[in-house]
Amino acid sequence: GQNIDQPTEMTATEGAIVQINCTYQTSGFNGLFWYQQHAGEAPTFLSYNVLDGLEEKGRFSSFLSRSKGYSYLLLKELQMKDSASYLCAPMDSNYQLIWGAGTKLIIKP
Amino acid sequence: GAVVSQHPSRVICKSGTSVKIECRSLDFQATTMFWYRQFPKKSLMLMATSNEGSKATYEQGVEKDKFLINHASLTLSTLTVTSAHPEDSSFYICSARALQGGDTEAFFGQGTRLTVV
Repeated sequence: GQNIDQPTEMTATEGAIVQINCTYQTSGFNGLFWYQQHAGEAPTFLSYNVLDGLEEKGRFSSFLSRSKGYSYLLLKELQMKDSASYLCAPMDSNYQLIWGAGTKLIIKP
Repeated sequence: GAVVSQHPSRVICKSGTSVKIECRSLDFQATTMFWYRQFPKKSLMLMATSNEGSKATYEQGVEKDKFLINHASLTLSTLTVTSAHPEDSSFYICSARALQGGDTEAFFGQGTRLTVV
């Protein structure tokens, strides 16, 4: 079957760094997306990885290892507005996104 | 990035009535559109996938006669919740993708919060 595994909740301090891990199993693979979702809002795109390695975009970086079925999202210089849920979503062979429940990130002052 | 416009953002309707939600890709042609439903504190649940000009493919457990999807053009897809009941109250989100030039990023609409009273 297809499944996503991410921690349910994480807590970090403003200004710090946090890494959100994701392991996945899918039928085929066409890349992996990370989305940010604030409560009551639609998800917003953060990153897309299709090749192994690290993609850096400002304060956010995303890493992918296809052989391990593993990805992580790294958030630096955390701000209070980063409090949100972070969704790891791999794309299967039919180009459909497989969604997990996401990781709720709580930022404390 | 590309823009997907979804409306209404919020709607309240009476039980037994129907509600139509529109999803438009504003600056690209969406060959494929996805409709999701999200319950509080739960992950997005794919309801159906629609390709322009063909019938939507519904996920298991989703009633196609209750959730009517029409993808009549490359820029517009609609979801109609027919004979709505309180248990249909949820957050509905559309997503559009254009499989052109290797671009497979999915863009989301703003979401529609439906409350059935």
